Amino acid sequence: SQTIHQWPATLVQPVGSPLSLECTVEGTSNPNLYWYRQAAGRGLQLLFYSVGIGQISSEVPQNLSASRPQDRQFILSSKKLLLSDSGFYLCAWSRWASTNVLTFGAGSRLTVL
Amino acid sequence: DAKTTQPPSMDCAEGRAANLPCNHSTISGNEYVYWYRQIHSQGPQYIIHGLKNNETNEMASLIITEDRKSSTLILPHATLRDTAVYYCIAGYNNNDMRFGAGTRLTVKP
Repeated sequence: SQTIHQWPATLVQPVGSPLSLECTVEGTSNPNLYWYRQAAGRGLQLLFYSVGIGQISSEVPQNLSASRPQDRQFILSSKKLLLSDSGFYLCAWSRWASTNVLTFGAGSRLTVL
Repeated sequence: DAKTTQPPSMDCAEGRAANLPCNHSTISGNEYVYWYRQIHSQGPQYIIHGLKNNETNEMASLIITEDRKSSTLILPHATLRDTAVYYCIAGYNNNDMRFGAGTRLTVKP
């Protein structure tokens, strides 16, 4: 069976510090991978998606970046965090298929102080 | 992806059916309708999806109108654990699934 892991689960970082959130998927190959962000009390905002190693599409211009160094690994990074980067970050994966069902990880809650 | 509109909130009595509507009037012929839900502080969970025909699984039923411009998610016997935000999405094999604000369903005892 397929599983998705995200870490860390909770993170408190000062403004201006770097960020690295990691997501890995097990039990499948060549998944589509996604990063979403959810600010407090808000809906989900798609940040990045990837259809393969090294292939990243960005949805929102911001100080975040994503990388996919391996087939089942997706990393969200920032060089300098802003207060507005606080939120709940969710990684998700889907198969290549005619229907695009997403499976989400448990999320990483980031607080920037 | 087609834009969807949902009511911001709904209430339902425990044990009764919860009917959550979604409008997707600009949906194209090959776009599916997906439903997810998000329980507080967790990642969204897939519920069901469909193209033209009504669908049913162990969690819910999906009713799609004949013109495909709207759909309804039905939870046949809502429980307190069904309290969540429900998202309706319309799209086709896209690599960019976009979630709107959803409907906050509150199941009351």
